[in-house]
Amino acid sequence: DVKVTQSSRYLVKRTGEKVFLECVQDMDHENMFWYRQDPGLGLRLIYFSYDVKMKEKGDIPEGYSVSREKKERFSLILESASTNQTSMYLCASRISAGMSTEAFFGQGTRLTVV
Amino acid sequence: SQQGEEDPQALSIQEGENATMNCSYKTSINNLQWYRQNSGRGLVHLILIRSNEREKHSGRLRVTLDTSKKSSSLLITASRAADTASYFCATVPNSGGYQKVTFGTGTKLQVIP
Repeated sequence: DVKVTQSSRYLVKRTGEKVFLECVQDMDHENMFWYRQDPGLGLRLIYFSYDVKMKEKGDIPEGYSVSREKKERFSLILESASTNQTSMYLCASRISAGMSTEAFFGQGTRLTVV
Repeated sequence: SQQGEEDPQALSIQEGENATMNCSYKTSINNLQWYRQNSGRGLVHLILIRSNEREKHSGRLRVTLDTSKKSSSLLITASRAADTASYFCATVPNSGGYQKVTFGTGTKLQVIP
């Protein structure tokens, strides 16, 4: 089974801190994604990566950056955390072959910025 | 961007009853997928239906797709307390790549034992 592991289930950070959220997948998937999930808004794509060192902005990239130095690892970085970044963050991966494949999600990181 | 919308937002039923959730979308799709999310957890893929399919079954799940109405429904038969979760549809567009997948806001299902 594909496993997508996020480094933390819960995080509490202070405003202005630099925050790193880590995601690792073990199935050699090319595509990896970071979403945030807020009540009433569904999942919104922050960034995605289709290969090592390749990244593209999603719908809400402001205030975030990403890093993909190795195929299995995709990191989301909050450059200077703000309270409006308090949210549930979900990492996902999928194989890139065609459109009819599903995404595999990590367990989520609930981030609170105080 | 395209937005999938589930209906109803919340649903409460007794164990053993069937649960039906609907999803509407706006643009042409390659396929539509349903995911489940237990409280505070990540999403788990349930079933995928391609745009040229009308109905698909997997265990107690039945999914229908009507591309002319741009809508899909997920039926869970003989529900169990363990089915309590939020259910999301995700629409994969014909163009723009998988990064253009749009997730709906979900239907929160409660199955009462």
